[in-house]
Amino acid sequence: GQQLNQSPQSMFIQEGEDVSMNCTSSSIFNTWLWYKQDPGEGPVLLIALYKAGELTSNGRLTAQFGITRKDSFLNISASIPSDVGIYFCAGRNFGNEKLTFGTGTRLTIIP
Amino acid sequence: DGGITQSPKYLFRKEGQNVTLSCEQNLNHDAMYWYRQDPGQGLRLIYYSQIVNDFQKGDIAEGYSVSREKKESFPLTVTSAQKNPTAFYLCASSIQGVGYGYTFGSGTRLTVV
Repeated sequence: GQQLNQSPQSMFIQEGEDVSMNCTSSSIFNTWLWYKQDPGEGPVLLIALYKAGELTSNGRLTAQFGITRKDSFLNISASIPSDVGIYFCAGRNFGNEKLTFGTGTRLTIIP
Repeated sequence: DGGITQSPKYLFRKEGQNVTLSCEQNLNHDAMYWYRQDPGQGLRLIYYSQIVNDFQKGDIAEGYSVSREKKESFPLTVTSAQKNPTAFYLCASSIQGVGYGYTFGSGTRLTVV
């Protein structure tokens, strides 16, 4: 099955730094979602985007629905230790209940 | 509180034995899904069900079986035919026809020795 391309695959940053990651697809989506997975746990929904060009924030997190509908971006400002984990993007189209997931971006904070 | 529960959290089985992973949700969600996650890897769909008594194969269904006798429950059986069963298994559920995402369980880590 299709998987969305996420980049970077992994990130090593210092506490306090800003983080940017993106997700690209060969096909368009009507909904973009961003999830975070803590080690040994299930993914948790962070942000949902429903309209091309939409910019949505959730605390220090900001995500954007790309104008082409084939990409999405997630930014984390002023990273803290609890931001460590794997971030997954996911796309969905109307009438299709299944999500298509990205390959994930692993975020590690260096002491 | 509503949620989706997977049990057990850790499971050990001998090679050649079938094992069933439990997934229960009280969110009144119509659709349920099973994913497999290997270390450092993404999520791969095993099976999904959009309605009771009906389910479809995902991308890696070989060696797995499911049932959906109740809306709340979607157990996954890892059979002896699955060649590499050791993995982290995630169950999820969603509302039909709404553009929200999935709600995931906390996962079951299966180790076959």
